[in-house]
Amino acid sequence: ILNVEQSPQSLHVQEGDSTNFTCSFPSSNFYALHWYRWETAKSPEALFVMTLNGDEKKKGRISATLNTKEGYSYLYIKGSQPEDSATYLCASEGGSEKLVFGKGTKLTVNP
Amino acid sequence: GAGVSQSPRYKVAKRGQDVALRCDPISGHVSLFWYQQALGQGPEFLTYFQNEAQLDKSGLPSDRFFAERPEGSVSTLKIQRTQQEDSAVYLCASSRIRYEQYFGPGTRLTVT
Repeated sequence: ILNVEQSPQSLHVQEGDSTNFTCSFPSSNFYALHWYRWETAKSPEALFVMTLNGDEKKKGRISATLNTKEGYSYLYIKGSQPEDSATYLCASEGGSEKLVFGKGTKLTVNP
Repeated sequence: GAGVSQSPRYKVAKRGQDVALRCDPISGHVSLFWYQQALGQGPEFLTYFQNEAQLDKSGLPSDRFFAERPEGSVSTLKIQRTQQEDSAVYLCASSRIRYEQYFGPGTRLTVT
């Protein structure tokens, strides 16, 4: 059984601040690490999927890194905007394709 | 194109009632997953289909939970004799290839 942990649980930042979250996961039987953004009343939106140790992905102001040897991933948001307010979920994918999620980090960006 | 849709979006059921939750995956997606998110928790895997075959149902919490995908497209998650602990958001995801799962908006079930 995989346990995925995310920290912090919630975060309040001011518009323009840069921030980052952590996701830790067991490194055994690892296939991929997913990051999703989930806004209230909407579908979780896929941000990144990473498979290789050292992977770095970027989409606009958001980027992510992956360390499969030590079992962690970081998500960075540069210059946070109010529209970045959401819950950010990470999920580990093993051999069976089912995703094991953390509890998420709830980000609130104050104007 | 159209994403994954789920219906109803909200459902209130009295304890003991049966409910049926529907998922319409993206056209052509072979794999379909159901997850349950209880309050304060991350989504947890319930079951997985490849076409019409249910390949993994290890996450279904009890025999009151039943899922089907008879024609390899639309899927229904049925919960019999609902209990308060069944209150959660039920998410459906579909995929065409490994490493991608597209999620619907979920059905929020409240059992009173």
